[in-house]
Amino acid sequence: DVKVTQSSRYLVKRTGEKVFLECVQDMDHENMFWYRQDPGLGLRLIYFSYDVKMKEKGDIPEGYSVSREKKERFSLILESASTNQTSMYLCASSSREGRGQPQHFGDGTRLSIL
Amino acid sequence: DAKTTQPTSMDCAEGRAANLPCNHSTISGNEYVYWYRQIHSQGPQYIIHGLKNNETNEMASLIITEDRKSSTLILPHATLRDTAVYYCIVRVPNSGYALNFGKGTSLLVTP
Repeated sequence: DVKVTQSSRYLVKRTGEKVFLECVQDMDHENMFWYRQDPGLGLRLIYFSYDVKMKEKGDIPEGYSVSREKKERFSLILESASTNQTSMYLCASSSREGRGQPQHFGDGTRLSIL
Repeated sequence: DAKTTQPTSMDCAEGRAANLPCNHSTISGNEYVYWYRQIHSQGPQYIIHGLKNNETNEMASLIITEDRKSSTLILPHATLRDTAVYYCIVRVPNSGYALNFGKGTSLLVTP
């Protein structure tokens, strides 16, 4: 089974802090993604990476950065946390091989910025 | 990605088959049908996907009509743990990257 592991289920931080969210996948997937999910807004893509050290902006990259130094690990960084970044953050991974390979998600990190 | 239409909510008795429909009448030839579900406060869970043939795995079956304009997800023996929101997504693999989950169908499995 595909396993995508996010480092924390719940996290509380203060405005202005630098926040790190970590994600690890164990299936040797090339693609990794960071989304946020908010009520009424659905899933929105923040960043994705299609290879080590490669990254592309998604739909809402402002206020975020990412790092992918190893194939299995994809980190999301909130440079200076703000209250409007309170959200559920979801990491996903997928393979580029095979027929229509789906994205597999972690359990999410519910982040509160006070 | 093609637009999908799903019923807002459905009920199913425990132990019975749950049949969740999805309409995707504007699907194009290279778009796959994917099904996910999300239980409250958890990440989305991948269930199954297909292009034009019917598919089955340990969780569910996917029936795609011959014209590919609609599909049905079948949970053969629903349990209380299958209560969740189910999303049907149609897209070209590895294109656009962001998944559009829409509103989905809220399935309630009752004892």
